[in-house]
Amino acid sequence: DIQMTQSPSSLSASVGDRVAITCRASQSISSHLNWYQLKPGEAPKLLIYAASSLQSGVPSRFSGSGSGTDFTLTISSLQPEDFATYYCQQSHGTPFTFGQGTKLEIK
Amino acid sequence: QVQLVQSGSELMKPGASVKVSCKTSGYTFTNYAMNWVRQAPGQGLEWMGWINTNTGNPTYAPGFTGRFVFSLDTSVSTAYLQISSLKAEDTAVYYCATSGYFDWFFKNWGQGTRVIASS
Repeated sequence: DIQMTQSPSSLSASVGDRVAITCRASQSISSHLNWYQLKPGEAPKLLIYAASSLQSGVPSRFSGSGSGTDFTLTISSLQPEDFATYYCQQSHGTPFTFGQGTKLEIK
Repeated sequence: QVQLVQSGSELMKPGASVKVSCKTSGYTFTNYAMNWVRQAPGQGLEWMGWINTNTGNPTYAPGFTGRFVFSLDTSVSTAYLQISSLKAEDTAVYYCATSGYFDWFFKNWGQGTRVIASS
């Protein structure tokens, strides 16, 4: 199985900050990397697919980059509604696997 | 708009069976695969597998064979997850999520169904 390692596991930041979350794959996954946002009690939300494509309706402050084994999700200016848990997921090969998550908290 | 609405929380005794439903609307049901994802308490997301909504053929991820069954009722655009012989470690939130058949990102998700297996 392809292992996905996210860092950091938690992050404290303030509204307006720029934050970056990284995801590393145990082998090359090309650009088959997706990012999701989870909030308690809500349906998970797709943010970025294919490493850098912004899902329709997602604010442009979210961006993704990377290829091969190293990927980054960047939020350019944190808004109050962005405090949530973020997961990366590889869609290169089955079983599809997720990172362990990054909890973004208000400082 | 696309909606995936899952059935409500379940409290079950170990050894029992549970069936979770995922009713869809707003798109052609057979155009997208249906995936199932588990989140155990305090844990991350785990892909359980998927079902081909055209053929009904399921594919299970390792660790989800035997007691887990994916099924469909295309007449009502609904997917199901059945778990038999429940164990305490099956306690989790279960999500359904659509994907393409070639692009395996999970575009639309249900709100999740909490299953608790406890005596």
